[in-house]
Amino acid sequence: GAVVSQHPSWVICKSGTSVKIECRSLDFQATTMFWYRQFPKQSLMLMATSNEGSKATYEQGVEKDKFLINHASLTLSTLTVTSAHPEDSSFYICSAGRKHTPLHFGNGTRLTVT
Amino acid sequence: DAKTTQPNSMESNEEEPVHLPCNHSTISGTDYIHWYRQLPSQGPEYVIHGLTSNVNNRMASLAIAEDRKSSTLILHRATLRDAAVYYCILRDMGGSEKLVFGKGTKLTVNP
Repeated sequence: GAVVSQHPSWVICKSGTSVKIECRSLDFQATTMFWYRQFPKQSLMLMATSNEGSKATYEQGVEKDKFLINHASLTLSTLTVTSAHPEDSSFYICSAGRKHTPLHFGNGTRLTVT
Repeated sequence: DAKTTQPNSMESNEEEPVHLPCNHSTISGTDYIHWYRQLPSQGPEYVIHGLTSNVNNRMASLAIAEDRKSSTLILHRATLRDAAVYYCILRDMGGSEKLVFGKGTKLTVNP
């Protein structure tokens, strides 16, 4: 089946620094990628929709200047958490897909900001 | 985004069938019914999806009511590996196609 790889699987950073998370579709070309975050014992919250070659569409309440999304190719999207703070500590998950097909999810990145 | 309603939790015994219900009374014509599941500390996994007719695949079956206002995910023989949170999601295949997750049903499988 389709594979989505997310890297790193976990990261610890200091407050005020930036962290980049990569999401790759390994065996298919993804026209759309979605970024989610999940706090403990809660459901996934959609942050933004990323289409290859165009600007990401952010959900209401998500700061686009804080969560920078780049979708430079059909197999790679990146999420950069800028000036991270402890409240940004969360489980970040990406998903990838093509039109009219099921989405495939990465295994997530656990971010801890100290 | 169209909403779904699922029980918070359900329990099953190993090797018995499990029926996970989902209500979606505000479903629209272009909404497909999708089911995903999430094991602890992992990303969600696609299970099955359908529009109007019942669907079967190697993982599960999906039974869709005639008026499409409810559906049931059927695991024919639950195993311990099926313990997960199951999400029923309406996905607008005529629009953005994004998946908006609700709270899901936490399935516990007893040995």
